[in-house]
Amino acid sequence: NAGVTQTPKFQVLKTGQSMTLQCAQDMNHNSMYWYRQDPGMGLRLIYYSASEGTTDKGEVPNGYNVSRLNKREFSLRLESAAPSQTSVYFCASSVSRRGELFFGEGSRLTVL
Amino acid sequence: AQSVTQLDSQVPVFEEAPVELRCNYSSSVSVYLFWYVQYPNQGLQLLLKYLSGSTLVKGINGFEAEFNKSQTSFHLRKPSVHISDTAEYFCAVPGGDDKIIFGKGTRLHILP
Repeated sequence: NAGVTQTPKFQVLKTGQSMTLQCAQDMNHNSMYWYRQDPGMGLRLIYYSASEGTTDKGEVPNGYNVSRLNKREFSLRLESAAPSQTSVYFCASSVSRRGELFFGEGSRLTVL
Repeated sequence: AQSVTQLDSQVPVFEEAPVELRCNYSSSVSVYLFWYVQYPNQGLQLLLKYLSGSTLVKGINGFEAEFNKSQTSFHLRKPSVHISDTAEYFCAVPGGDDKIIFGKGTRLHILP
């Protein structure tokens, strides 16, 4: 009963380093999302993918890239990490915009 | 584009007292509305949703919300809160295409 799985759960980077956050869902959902959560800011959408092979920018895409590798997997890449990208990142998936979002447990990223 | 406003960033309430968490959305042709809950150090999970039909929606853990089209509101209520309701609550709405937009969240503090 995995649902949405994110890795890693914790990561510390130095400014300028790169990394990829991995996300996989086993519910055969079409849509997948990456959000960041910061105190007092709620969840802000970084990128989303309505279906395999498509990706679109959300509210705060700058500094990030994504890949919808297949229907199950949606990765988020930071090419050159900055302290402003220190945050908790959540991956989510849903059948459609009318459906419930299922969230991963989050990835806490600190950029020094 | 759709947007959602949560008017209160924090709400303190005594245990066993009633609570209302407020959410207002920008109007649109079709409206789907969601409330999610985030317990400490966890991901978000669906509390309840409005897609169509009855304006009073019942969710998990004794919560309910009322869709009010004229006031563009979807306030969350519980008649008697418990210490286990301590969490952050997010209102969400589809933001066009397949985007899901979240409010900034309301922290519910239960006082003994």
